[in-house]
Amino acid sequence: NAGVTQTPKFRVLKTGQSMTLLCAQDMNHEYMYWYRQDPGMGLRLIHYSVGEGTTAKGEVPDGYNVSRLKKQNFLLGLESAAPSQTSVYFCASTNTGIYGYTFGSGTRLTVV
Amino acid sequence: AQTVTQSQPEMSVQEAETVTLSCTYDTSESDYYLFWYKQPPSRQMILVIRQEAYKQQNATENRFSVNFQKAAKSFSLKISDSQLGDAAMYFCAYRSVTDYKLSFGAGTTVTVRA
Repeated sequence: NAGVTQTPKFRVLKTGQSMTLLCAQDMNHEYMYWYRQDPGMGLRLIHYSVGEGTTAKGEVPDGYNVSRLKKQNFLLGLESAAPSQTSVYFCASTNTGIYGYTFGSGTRLTVV
Repeated sequence: AQTVTQSQPEMSVQEAETVTLSCTYDTSESDYYLFWYKQPPSRQMILVIRQEAYKQQNATENRFSVNFQKAAKSFSLKISDSQLGDAAMYFCAYRSVTDYKLSFGAGTTVTVRA
């Protein structure tokens, strides 16, 4: 019954540091997504994956990289964190998207 | 990318009253899916209701209903008999039938007054 699990839930980084956010889903979903949520801007798509081994850029991909080596996991990396990347990050997954998407509980990232 | 617009940053409603949240979208497609998601203070994204564009009938889920006007590209959410637990941010979202990406509006914060 886990659904979509994101780790960590909170993180504070210094400018220039790197980190990886992990998203894991246990629903055998094909499609996975990374969004960022900023006040007044809704959720914006960073990168997404349509299957194991595939990734694609979304609306705001700069400064991020992703990998999907296993179907159940989708990793979001920040190579050199910047204050502009302070945000809440959400992972989501779906099989068809017709009936909705399942979201993780989010990661609040602060870059100082 | 499709544009989803929520023109009301904040809405306030008295408990037991009705509130309507507006959403418009821009698309050249004839078939697509629309969603409303609720985000309470817990941050969890909860699907409230969905609508398939090829269905004329407006979707309803208990106290939540939509007014889908395809020609006007409008998809409003009505919350009836508002409860304190309805207080949250609500997001309108769009997905085309050919693209698995979900596009969101900026959100509307709903406050429920006791």
